[in-house]
Amino acid sequence: GAGVSQSPRYKVAKRGQDVALRCDPISGHVSLFWYQQALGQGPEFLTYFQNEAQLDKSGLPSDRFFAERPEGSVSTLKIQRTQQEDSAVYLCASSLPRGGPAETQYFGPGTRLLVL
Amino acid sequence: GENVEQHPSTLSVQEGDSAVIKCTYSDSASNYFPWYKQELGKRPQLIIDIRSNVGEKKDQRIAVTLNKTAKHFSLHITETQPEDSAVYFCAASILTGGGNKLTFGTGTQLKVEL
Repeated sequence: GAGVSQSPRYKVAKRGQDVALRCDPISGHVSLFWYQQALGQGPEFLTYFQNEAQLDKSGLPSDRFFAERPEGSVSTLKIQRTQQEDSAVYLCASSLPRGGPAETQYFGPGTRLLVL
Repeated sequence: GENVEQHPSTLSVQEGDSAVIKCTYSDSASNYFPWYKQELGKRPQLIIDIRSNVGEKKDQRIAVTLNKTAKHFSLHITETQPEDSAVYFCAASILTGGGNKLTFGTGTQLKVEL
């Protein structure tokens, strides 16, 4: 079946620009996570949704970062007034299919953001 | 919060040899430990995972061992092949009724040489 998809795959933004990154989780997955992966590093947790509820946003680095999942499926990560340190790959993952193993997180291909 | 350390950062082995990657974690409440393989420019893919009620798990050429007392776990790949070359990440989390955020190690670049 279809896996987690993300768009755009690549985004170049000028410093100060706003960007929006989209995640389409696996159909039926209740949990959705966003991670930030800097070059040569492991992914770092940003935020987590269960259905439409944002239950944990402790990893968001500043109030310039905002995420939403209004209908409990597609999610958008928005970064306002982008800075060069925001350059990274943004990964989305989904998990908890009904009746399936709760813990396995399936990752999307990521959006590579470059802020100039 | 949880802290995961991973060693080595790079590992080069000859084809057919074994490779071992080690991780330690800090939060004794962590009870789920997945390993992900990430090829250059690709998504992380789960290769094996283990829960804290099990000491060892094996899947063909891949095995993971867990020592809860010492708070460390290891990935073992036997009979390595060139296609095993990638970056491997360990992670730790606490399973709850809902989601479980993963804390990742810094990764190990594995190179399998012919």
